[in-house]
Amino acid sequence: DTAVSQTPKYLVTQMGNDKSIKCEQNLGHDTMYWYKQDSKKFLKIMFSYNNKELIINETVPNRFSPKSPDKAHLNLHINSLELGDSAVYFCASSQGLNQPQHFGDGTRLSIL
Amino acid sequence: AQSVSQHNHHVILSEAASLELGCNYSYGGTVNLFWYVQYPGQHLQLLLKYFSGDPLVKGIKGFEAEFIKSKFSFNLRKPSVQWSDTAEYFCAVSINNAGNMLTFGGGTRLMVKP
Repeated sequence: DTAVSQTPKYLVTQMGNDKSIKCEQNLGHDTMYWYKQDSKKFLKIMFSYNNKELIINETVPNRFSPKSPDKAHLNLHINSLELGDSAVYFCASSQGLNQPQHFGDGTRLSIL
Repeated sequence: AQSVSQHNHHVILSEAASLELGCNYSYGGTVNLFWYVQYPGQHLQLLLKYFSGDPLVKGIKGFEAEFIKSKFSFNLRKPSVQWSDTAEYFCAVSINNAGNMLTFGGGTRLMVKP
């Protein structure tokens, strides 16, 4: 019974394509996040989503857009994929703000 | 904007050695502090957290960390490491009323030799 689950685990695609990564949490949390971990293991916040309020890290290109159909899901859509988008993307959730976050297993995205 | 620095990028220890990993942050206001661990091929797991109160916090697996406000530091310690502690360790900071978004340090890769 995984708490935060992401699909797919691996995603290999070509430059220019549009892809989505799904995230679901069964913890009843009301805040979800997306992080990007690059090849040097550096982790960077991309989005925070709480009660329909989206907070975006200003450095994230607008090709990236989160979509939340309900409180338990926060999917990540990426348009016009670029080589630099290759990374591991982690979804996380927390119960409210300023609470510890629980992370998913990550999605390794590779752009050819 | 806040930033987090982990000065030790790679640490190699023998089993039973003591561990201290440095973490410094730059932000003048109230912060929440965390240490996460990432075992090879796995997701991030919370080791411990500091929100307020006793600046010495104890986490899982025998880890502890001390918040020293005057030094803007939150160093992670363990008196005796085990081979199974081999992993990447991340210090992180969040600011109240900032979407709870975590700012991570660059990580410290710990290798424990059996």
